[in-house]
Amino acid sequence: KQEVTQIPAALSVPEGENLVLNCSFTDSAIYNLQWFRQDPGKGLTSLLLIQSSQREQTSGRLNASLDKSSGRSTLYIAASQPGDSATYLCAVNLNYGGSQGNLIFGKGTKLSVKP
Amino acid sequence: NAGVTQTPKFQVLKTGQSMTLQCAQDMNHEYMSWYRQDPGMGLRLIHYSVGAGITDQGEVPNGYNVSRSTTEDFPLRLLSAAPSQTSVYFCASSYSGGGTEAFFGQGTRLTVV
Repeated sequence: KQEVTQIPAALSVPEGENLVLNCSFTDSAIYNLQWFRQDPGKGLTSLLLIQSSQREQTSGRLNASLDKSSGRSTLYIAASQPGDSATYLCAVNLNYGGSQGNLIFGKGTKLSVKP
Repeated sequence: NAGVTQTPKFQVLKTGQSMTLQCAQDMNHEYMSWYRQDPGMGLRLIHYSVGAGITDQGEVPNGYNVSRSTTEDFPLRLLSAAPSQTSVYFCASSYSGGGTEAFFGQGTRLTVV
């Protein structure tokens, strides 16, 4: 059974720091991996989608990498800002026939960026 | 640009009552799904649909019913609410399931007393 783990569960950094959030998964047979942001009491906002054939994706100050063979992904946030404070979720999309589209989520990393 | 719209945003039910959580998307997505989010458990898949008329069970389907009569709508029914169904429910959609970006609604916070 696919399991997704995110470390650390919580992270507090001063503004301006570069930081890395980690995501690991147990089964490398994934279709893609998606990083989301969730603000308190809100829905999930998609940040980056990496296909299984890709190594990384970038959007602004965010860079996500994928190493499918080792079951790892990282989300790099450059020059962090207080507005980046949120919970970041990693989810893998299974690559089993009709299950494509079913996301398996990690429990998230709660990020706090202090001014 | 409505995206995925869920109603209601908040709901309190008594044990044994039934209700329907509504989900609609205006992006012509084939794939839709329902998740529940509980503290310490993360998001778990309840039911999903790969197109109109086709639904299937996810990881935690018991106590929930779904149907997909149109591409746009995917309602989630609680047949007889139980306190264990207290949770935040999210609806999601994507163009074709695998390989495409998933979009989520703002969630429905349900409390069963």
